[in-house]
Amino acid sequence: QKEVEQNSGPLSVPEGAIASLNCTYSDRGSQSFFWYRQYSGKSPELIMFIYSNGDKEDGRFTAQLNKASQYVSLLIRDSQPSDSATYLCAVNTPQAGTALIFGKGTTLSVSS
Amino acid sequence: DVKVTQSSRYLVKRTGEKVFLECVQDMDHENMFWYRQDPGLGLRLIYFSYDVKMKEKGDIPEGYSVSREKKERFSLILESASTNQTSMYLCASSADGYEQYFGPGTRLTVT
Repeated sequence: QKEVEQNSGPLSVPEGAIASLNCTYSDRGSQSFFWYRQYSGKSPELIMFIYSNGDKEDGRFTAQLNKASQYVSLLIRDSQPSDSATYLCAVNTPQAGTALIFGKGTTLSVSS
Repeated sequence: DVKVTQSSRYLVKRTGEKVFLECVQDMDHENMFWYRQDPGLGLRLIYFSYDVKMKEKGDIPEGYSVSREKKERFSLILESASTNQTSMYLCASSADGYEQYFGPGTRLTVT
């Protein structure tokens, strides 16, 4: 059973703190990993992707991948109230072809 | 920038009506996808297409069909709308790199 698991939250952090969002996946053959941000009432927006073990940084965002542990995370540094949204983890697996498997998302709330 | 557009933002239909949702992308992407999103259930894949006239069933194809006659356009058809098809419908497209880009969504209400 292909699965991508995320804690639904809400994850609450104060403004300026680091938010850590986590995702686990079940298919060891998974090769591509994505983070999407979705504001309430809007469609998902791609913010990061990572293919190799280790860290990938883009501005205040860092994606971390550990294939041995089947774990991918997203760190948001200096969190802002505008970061308050639902974050979706998505994974490509060989069985899915060109499709992605999405987690149900973690809701992040950043308080000012 | 990739642009994915959907024919309607909001749609209200009656039970039993045939409903067409259209999606157009302007980046010459090979792959296009239709999802529905419901509270607590997340994004669920209905159908996807990897080429013109080609389609694959996703996780929840029952009650839906699709059409892709041109590369840039992917249509979702509800043959006979039912109240349990009330949902947010999202279209996405991707090239070979797997990252998908979403349209703004259509909120469909079936009464």
